[in-house]
Amino acid sequence: DIQMTQSPSSLSASVGDRVTITCRASQGIRNDLGWYQQKPGKAPKRLIYSASSLQSGVPSRFSGSGSGTEFTLTISSLQPEDFATYYCLQHNSYPQTFGGGTKVEI
Amino acid sequence: EVQLVESGGDLVQPGRSLRLSCAASGFTFDDYAMHWVRQAPGKGLEWVSGISWNSGSIVYADSVKGRFTISRDNAKNSLYLQMNSLRAEDTALYYCAKGTVPRSYTVTTFDYWGQGTLVTVSS
Repeated sequence: DIQMTQSPSSLSASVGDRVTITCRASQGIRNDLGWYQQKPGKAPKRLIYSASSLQSGVPSRFSGSGSGTEFTLTISSLQPEDFATYYCLQHNSYPQTFGGGTKVEI
Repeated sequence: EVQLVESGGDLVQPGRSLRLSCAASGFTFDDYAMHWVRQAPGKGLEWVSGISWNSGSIVYADSVKGRFTISRDNAKNSLYLQMNSLRAEDTALYYCAKGTVPRSYTVTTFDYWGQGTLVTVSS
């Protein structure tokens, strides 16, 4: 199975900050990676697919980059509604595996 | 509008069985793979099982293989998860999620999720 190591597991930030979250895959996964945002009591919402493509309707302050084994989600200017937990998901091979999550707190 | 509505979650004793359902609408159900993903209380996300658009390809996480069975009824736009020999570690919110590539066996992300149904395994 491909292991996804996400870091940090949590971070504290302020409105307006630039935030970066990283996922590392245990083996190369090309660009077969998505990023999800989950708020308490809600289902995950896809933000990014194919490592760097922005899901329709998602604000442009979210961006993804990377290929192979290292990937990054960046929020260019953190907004109040962005405080949530973020997960990466590899879909290069079964079983699809998620990173452990990053909780973004005020 | 795509909608996925899960049902069937309950409190059950270890060793017992439960069947989850997911009713889909707002898209051509029989074009897409469907999946179950779970989240234990306060924990991260775990993919459980997936089924291709035509039921020709079915895959399971090792943690549920041999105990859970995924199926679908395209005539009813419904996805199911039969869960047998339940264990305490199966306690989780179970989400139904839609694959993204029509009529493909490609491993994909999930673009739509339901709100989940809670399964609690406890004596």
